[in-house]
Amino acid sequence: DAGITQSPRYKITETGRQVTLMCHQTWSHSYMFWYRQDLGHGLRLIYYSAAADITDKGEVPDGYVVSRSKTENFPLTLESATRSQTSVYFCASSDMGTPYEQYFGPGTRLTVT
Amino acid sequence: AQSVAQPEDQVNVAEGNPLTVKCTYSVSGNPYLFWYVQYPNRGLQFLLKYITGDNLVKGSYGFEAEFNKSQTSFHLKKPSALVSDSALYFCAVRDIRGGSQGNLIFGKGTKLSVKP
Repeated sequence: DAGITQSPRYKITETGRQVTLMCHQTWSHSYMFWYRQDLGHGLRLIYYSAAADITDKGEVPDGYVVSRSKTENFPLTLESATRSQTSVYFCASSDMGTPYEQYFGPGTRLTVT
Repeated sequence: AQSVAQPEDQVNVAEGNPLTVKCTYSVSGNPYLFWYVQYPNRGLQFLLKYITGDNLVKGSYGFEAEFNKSQTSFHLKKPSALVSDSALYFCAVRDIRGGSQGNLIFGKGTKLSVKP
């Protein structure tokens, strides 16, 4: 099916472990984004990418790493998970022609114990 | 700095009544403004945008928004609310920092509750 998918949808991990959240889109959109959603903070941008092999930091990048070797994939890695990274993570993508009309994935709920 | 504010955490409306969800903005230059909606356990969905032109913009699901430059506001409206409109609504503004295209700054969200 076409669209933007995230996996896993739910993840529980322990403090200090490495975790990778996957994001895949089938539209060949140029732009991709990772957000975290926390109560009282709305959505905050972690990292974004304008194209394959081009990534940049957003508002809250500390503790996260991204890569984009292929246009359709944009994985987010928590190198050493902390409890403060417990959150709902959303991946989004947008087309170069309408860059601000973002399409969001269903989200990954991550709990760090 | 670019920012948006949503002054109400929650808005309660009776079905059939008009609804308004408020948003004010602070930007450098021309504002690019957006509304997104989030239904429970889902990602956000784009509703509508204002970039230039008519101050009243129409979007999906019967929603519209009014751009008011003098009041720096971009309120979301619907003439007749439905129970199915109950969701979390986010106002957003284009982020011009760093020159990157596509980046948005979101408000904290307003929970809309429509009662039958």
